[in-house]
Amino acid sequence: GQSLEQPSEVTAVEGAIVQINCTYQTSGFYGLSWYQQHDGGAPTFLSYNALDGLEETGRFSSFLSRSDSYGYLLLQELQMKDSASYFCAVQRDSNYQLIWGAGTKLIIKP
Amino acid sequence: DAMVIQNPRYQVTQFGKPVTLSCSQTLNHNVMYWYQQKSSQAPKLLFHYYDKDFNNEADTPDNFQSRRPNTSFCFLDIRSPGLGDAAMYLCATGSLAPTDTQYFGPGTRLTVL
Repeated sequence: GQSLEQPSEVTAVEGAIVQINCTYQTSGFYGLSWYQQHDGGAPTFLSYNALDGLEETGRFSSFLSRSDSYGYLLLQELQMKDSASYFCAVQRDSNYQLIWGAGTKLIIKP
Repeated sequence: DAMVIQNPRYQVTQFGKPVTLSCSQTLNHNVMYWYQQKSSQAPKLLFHYYDKDFNNEADTPDNFQSRRPNTSFCFLDIRSPGLGDAAMYLCATGSLAPTDTQYFGPGTRLTVL
C-alpha cells in the first residue's frame, strides 16, 4: 500500500526553529511536496523536492533523502502566523496526482 | 490575479437533497481536482480531470458526480447528500509542470441537515 507518516502535532515557541518529518512508502516516487493549511483555509503550496538535498525559500526549507524515503520541513524564526497544519504529499510517478500525509498541526506558543 | 474560485463558500442542504458546487479557474490549467476534507484529516481525492478526460478514484461513492464543460469550469454534484458527506470540498488545479504544484480554491463548506 501507499503510506506517508508525519507527526500529528508539534509544539514550538515563537522565534524558535521546528522540524516536521515525513517518511513515505509508495510504489513509486517522483517528488515530495509540502503544503500549509490554516484552520478554515485551503492548502497552499510551500515547496517541492525531487532530488536529494535542501531547498530553501525564505524562512522555510525542505529536505529530501530518497534513499531513506524521508523528508522534512524546517521552519525558522517561527511566527504566530505559522500556526497551521502542514501536509507532506508524494507525487508517485509522472502522473500528476498526489498521495497526502495526514498532516501535522503546528502549535506555536508565545 | 490568476486564481481558483469556488462558489458558494458555505452551502447548507437537507439530507437527500441534491446539491452542486462550482469551481472556476483563470490559470488555464489542464488538470482540475475535487477533494473532500473532513476535520483534522488530509484532503481526500474524489476525482480529477485531465482536460476532458475524467478519472474517478476507486473509492469515490457513486453519489458523487462531476462535470467539466470547459477548461475553466468544473462542477461537483452530490446526488443524495448524507450526514457523512458534510465536509469541506476543495477544488484544485494543476499543470503538468515538473513541480506538480496544485493550486487550491478557498473551498466550500457543506453542511447537511
